[in-house]
Amino acid sequence: NAGVMQNPRHLVRRRGQEARLRCSPMKGHSHVYWYRQLPEEGLKFMVYLQKENIIDESGMPKERFSAEFPKEGPSILRIQQVVRGDSAAYFCASSPLGGDTQYFGPGTRLTVL
Amino acid sequence: AQTVTQSQPEMSVQEAETVTLSCTYDTSESDYYLFWYKQPPSRQMILVIRQEAYKQQNATENRFSVNFQKAAKSFSLKISDSQLGDAAMYFCAYRRNNAGNMLTFGGGTRLMVKP
Repeated sequence: NAGVMQNPRHLVRRRGQEARLRCSPMKGHSHVYWYRQLPEEGLKFMVYLQKENIIDESGMPKERFSAEFPKEGPSILRIQQVVRGDSAAYFCASSPLGGDTQYFGPGTRLTVL
Repeated sequence: AQTVTQSQPEMSVQEAETVTLSCTYDTSESDYYLFWYKQPPSRQMILVIRQEAYKQQNATENRFSVNFQKAAKSFSLKISDSQLGDAAMYFCAYRRNNAGNMLTFGGGTRLMVKP
């Protein structure tokens, strides 16, 4: 059973470009969470999704950030018009329906030049 | 809002010795989960141990155990017989007992293991 997969592992963007981060949850998991980790800090919750639904986006910045988890395919975290402050590691986690433990992917390290 | 505090930014332990990492949290809930995650240099987040708040017995996983003090809102991690591979950042995390709720993380403790 493959773990949570994220790609790309490293992403470099120039200011003003768009960043798309992908997350494939563990097989059988229907809940996906996105977290952001700034350098030397803990992870901060961004958004929680189920298939085709955003359940909790209380941690998402109001502008430029969006997330989706379509019926088919991976979950996508999209950052438009990136700025240097968006440079961070972005982690995806998944859990099964009714599960209480989240399993993390390896993260995507975004660098904005 | 829930908060999680790890008061030790760095800890050091001699190989084969025992070390305890501290974590305190603040919540008005009575039913929740607590976790310790390990983040080695690869940056992968690895679940070390979890504790259900309704269970009085402290969780144990091989060399890792916790001291869960619900009244004091304290959740420390004890690593016995420390190994070089234990060197990593350790994060304490809290989650309300409602499927799908977010994890709230502490700021982390960097553990160094001396040979």
